[in-house]
Amino acid sequence: EAGVAQSPRYKIIEKRQSVAFWCNPISGHATLYWYQQILGQGPKLLIQFQNNGVVDDSQLPKDRFSAERLKGVDSTLKIQPAKLEDSAVYLCASSLAAGGGNTEAFFGQGTRLTVV
Amino acid sequence: KQEVTQIPAALSVPEGENLVLNCSFTDSAIYNLQWFRQDPGKGLTSLLLIQSSQREQTSGRLNASLDKSSGRSTLYIAASQPGDSATYLCAVSGNTPLVFGKGTRLSVIA
Repeated sequence: EAGVAQSPRYKIIEKRQSVAFWCNPISGHATLYWYQQILGQGPKLLIQFQNNGVVDDSQLPKDRFSAERLKGVDSTLKIQPAKLEDSAVYLCASSLAAGGGNTEAFFGQGTRLTVV
Repeated sequence: KQEVTQIPAALSVPEGENLVLNCSFTDSAIYNLQWFRQDPGKGLTSLLLIQSSQREQTSGRLNASLDKSSGRSTLYIAASQPGDSATYLCAVSGNTPLVFGKGTRLSVIA
């Protein structure tokens, strides 16, 4: 079975520019997550989707970050404008469900963003 | 608010040793606990998932235990190998999505 696909793998941008990341979850997985991982830290949840609806975006900096999951499959995460402190690895994950016994999460390879 | 702590932050052992990584969490109302491996510059690979009703899970040389009431989990690695060198992350899922610890960076020296 194909895993979670993310692109691009690496991105370097200047501060105040915009950037977008793409994620294709495992087929049939209803729940999709975007995490931010700063060097030396554990991943931190940015947003969780259930199908194409937002379940939790409480830690998403909504003044500059946005995310969507059209048709309940692929998702994009956008940053506009980027700041130096946005430099991190952005991880996408998916799971069959959001609760109960089907919450095992599978992660993509991540996108490493460097803001200069 | 769920908080996950991993001890130690870093560990260096000679090849062949058995070792234990520790994970603790503050809210025992969890669905499950997952252990992940992360190689430098890579994403996360799921190693083991323990449901809240289970006490342990095993996969090859790895054994993870869960004591939900005390908010603790351990990952036991038997007969460590240089290829086991990586960062190991613990995460819990409950009323909130996966909450991660900061990880334990493991180095196995040949």
